[in-house]
Amino acid sequence: EAGVTQFPSHSVIEKGQTVTLRCDPISGHDNLYWYRRVMGKEIKFLLHFVKESKQDESGMPNNRFLAERTGGTYSTLKVQPAELEDSGVYFCASSQVYGGTEAFFGQGTRLTVV
Amino acid sequence: GESVGLHLPTLSVQEGDNSIINCAYSNSASDYFIWYKQESGKGPQFIIDIRSNMDKRQGQRVTVLLNKTVKHLSLQIAATQPGDSAVYFCAEIAAGGTSYGKLTFGQGTILTVHP
Repeated sequence: EAGVTQFPSHSVIEKGQTVTLRCDPISGHDNLYWYRRVMGKEIKFLLHFVKESKQDESGMPNNRFLAERTGGTYSTLKVQPAELEDSGVYFCASSQVYGGTEAFFGQGTRLTVV
Repeated sequence: GESVGLHLPTLSVQEGDNSIINCAYSNSASDYFIWYKQESGKGPQFIIDIRSNMDKRQGQRVTVLLNKTVKHLSLQIAATQPGDSAVYFCAEIAAGGTSYGKLTFGQGTILTVHP
């Protein structure tokens, strides 16, 4: 069974450009989470989808970030326009059971904004 | 705000020794505590969890201890191996709220195991 996959693994963009990150959760997992780790800091929650609905987007830093999960399968996270402080590693995780503790993480996308 | 943090950012041990990684938390309403292992180039990997009504839970070579009195969590790794070298994160899931399953992570501890 395939795990959570994220694409791309690395992205280097200039300030002001747009980047779209993709996450494919484990098949059948209704819960999909986005997290971010900025250099030297802890991993922080961004948002949570249950199927195609946004359950909690309290961690989204500002309106330059837009997450979608059309059809309740894969999800995208778009940053537009990117700023220097958006650099970091973006993780996606999925879980099958609402309320369960075992979330499976993807390998992450390392975003560098220059 | 609520946070989960770590006492030691780095830990170096010899192969075969036991390792103890510590974590302090501040949210008394946490329902579950979880330890994740992150190897270079990979995402966090679930190791073990413990519910807030428990004091101790054992897995394969790992034991998690929870002391609610002092809001302290620890991960003990027995007979540490070079393959255990990674960054270890503690995390908590708060009870209630709009998004169950949402993880709040600590800063992370780098464990290095020397052969």
